Amino acid sequence: QTVVTQEPSFSVSPGGTVTLTCGLRSGSVSTSYYVSWYQQTPGQAPRTLIYNTNTRSSGVPDRFSGSILGNKAALTITGAQADDESDYYCVLYMGRGISVFGGGTKLTVL
Amino acid sequence: EVQRVESGGGLVQPGGSLRLSCAASGFTFSNFWMSWVRQAPGKGLEWVANIHQDGNEKYYVDSVKGRFTISRDNAENSLYIQMNSLRAEDTAVYYCARWDRYCSSGICNGGHFDHWGQGTLVTVSS
Repeated sequence: QTVVTQEPSFSVSPGGTVTLTCGLRSGSVSTSYYVSWYQQTPGQAPRTLIYNTNTRSSGVPDRFSGSILGNKAALTITGAQADDESDYYCVLYMGRGISVFGGGTKLTVL
Repeated sequence: EVQRVESGGGLVQPGGSLRLSCAASGFTFSNFWMSWVRQAPGKGLEWVANIHQDGNEKYYVDSVKGRFTISRDNAENSLYIQMNSLRAEDTAVYYCARWDRYCSSGICNGGHFDHWGQGTLVTVSS
């Protein structure tokens, strides 16, 4: 069973920079996994932020960026704002039509 | 404006069945793969199923194989999921989403979820 790992929680100061990561319990994440990132606030549907590792979805501010750092995928938020306080999920495409979500990271801005 | 509206959720007893619907608008529905993603109360997101534009290629997460069936009606711009033999662990908000695939010269790989619906709650309880 594929397990996609994310930090359960993270905090950042307003205006600060934070990097959330997305890994595999077994193995390394690469661009071959077509990594995507989603933001979700409580009670709301997810919002697509980043797809295909580093492409921002329409309307997403450029302070959100995606990359591969070492053996993990990364979502970096530069100049964090109060309304960035959300849950963030990564997804890895495993082939054969199968996608696996990470457990999500709860980001606090304080 | 791209929109998706899910419906059909509700309370059902363990072992029961339910059919969810998702009405899509604002894009050419028949040109896109579609997906269902769910979220149990207080938990993370989980991909459930995908379906090809023509309905002939389908994929499921292991936990629902043999119990859930994804389908679509391109003439009605609608996506469905028939859920049978429901279990307490199927309790979740179910979202429909467009699954945008990356294709080149007729070969597709990868994809991401986009244009999410607002979700419909399914509660499996006696």
